[in-house]
Amino acid sequence: NAGVTQTPKFQVLKTGQSMTLQCAQDMNHNSMYWYRQDPGMGLRLIYYSASEGTTDKGEVPNGYNVSRLNKREFSLRLESAAPSQTSVYFCASRGQVNQPQHFGDGTRLSIL
Amino acid sequence: AQSVTQPDIHITVSEGASLELRCNYSYGATPYLFWYVQSPGQGLQLLLKYFSGDTLVQGIKGFEAEFKRSQSSFNLRKPSVHWSDAAEYFCAVGGRPGNNDMRFGAGTRLTVKP
Repeated sequence: NAGVTQTPKFQVLKTGQSMTLQCAQDMNHNSMYWYRQDPGMGLRLIYYSASEGTTDKGEVPNGYNVSRLNKREFSLRLESAAPSQTSVYFCASRGQVNQPQHFGDGTRLSIL
Repeated sequence: AQSVTQPDIHITVSEGASLELRCNYSYGATPYLFWYVQSPGQGLQLLLKYFSGDTLVQGIKGFEAEFKRSQSSFNLRKPSVHWSDAAEYFCAVGGRPGNNDMRFGAGTRLTVKP
């Protein structure tokens, strides 16, 4: 009954440090997504992967990279963290096109 | 590009009162539409979705939403609000075949007064 699992749940970084946020789903879903959530901004799509081996930019991709390692895993990397990347990050997955997304519980990231 | 507008940032209603949360979208075709709810510190949970057919859709927890193409709206309603409905609500659009992009509104925070 795991669904979408994100690690870590919390992280504090210093400006300039790098970090990878991990996401895994056990629902055999084709599509996976990374969002950031900021007060008053809702969820903004960073990157998504429609299927294994493909990735596409969303609304706010600058400063991020992603890897769709296999069908289960979709990681988000910050190469050189900036305070503007302080946010809550959500991973989601979706199976067939007529199905909704399933969300993880989020990663709360603070960059000092 | 698709977009979603939720005009109300914060709404306060009394317990037992009716609720309507507004959502307007911009999309080049008939959209897939969703409402999600987020409790503090949690991820998003799907309330309901519209893909096609009947424009009035029923969801979990007593919520319903009506798709109005002429108004580009997908408003969420509940006849009688419970204190446990206090949360943030997000409308989303997109995810049709050939377009995996999903866009969310900025959210409406619901406060329920006793």
